[in-house]
Amino acid sequence: SQKIEQNSEALNIQEGKTATLTCNYTNYSPAYLQWYRQDPGRGPVFLLLIRENEKEKRKERLKVTFDTTLKQSLFHITASQPADSATYLCALDMDTGRRALTFGSGTRLQVQP
Amino acid sequence: GAGVSQSPSNKVTEKGKDVELRCDPISGHTALYWYRQSLGQGLEFLIYFQGNSAPDKSGLPSDRFSAERTGGSVSTLTIQRTQQEDSAVYLCASSLSVLTDTQYFGPGTRLTVL
Repeated sequence: SQKIEQNSEALNIQEGKTATLTCNYTNYSPAYLQWYRQDPGRGPVFLLLIRENEKEKRKERLKVTFDTTLKQSLFHITASQPADSATYLCALDMDTGRRALTFGSGTRLQVQP
Repeated sequence: GAGVSQSPSNKVTEKGKDVELRCDPISGHTALYWYRQSLGQGLEFLIYFQGNSAPDKSGLPSDRFSAERTGGSVSTLTIQRTQQEDSAVYLCASSLSVLTDTQYFGPGTRLTVL
């Protein structure tokens, strides 16, 4: 079955620095990979989607890369702000027989002012 | 219009009781998903609906769990004879269709089984 690994340890960085979060997966080549943000007590909020034929996707201060050879996605937040503090989840599609996402357990980001 | 809504926001119940959790998807979204999130864990897929039908029920953890959707809109997730291990946040999401990649999540229902 599909396994997704995200660093379970919290990432602490200083305001203004670039945060980089990692998502590794095994056993399956997804058609796309998504990143979500989750704040305490809230549901996840969609941020970015990157498809298997795309190497990189950008949205404002966010950048996602997708390396299908390494089976890894990197999620970058440039010029980080305290308001970026949250848990970030990566998710990818399961096989076409099941229309749902498999989520990683998330990495908590804390941006210090 | 409004986003995905769920009710109740919190539910505390005694072991052995039945509970019903409700999800109102975004208007016009034909696909609806239920997930479960235990403390510090990722989201665990439970079931999805396309319209009123649920093609895949294999994510339901046991036969005590069931879900239905009527009128292509509201969905209820029912847990019978609740157990302490059922305690978690139950999240609902909807999307335009199962072919649409982006899912919009509700705030979740926090279920505590004593």
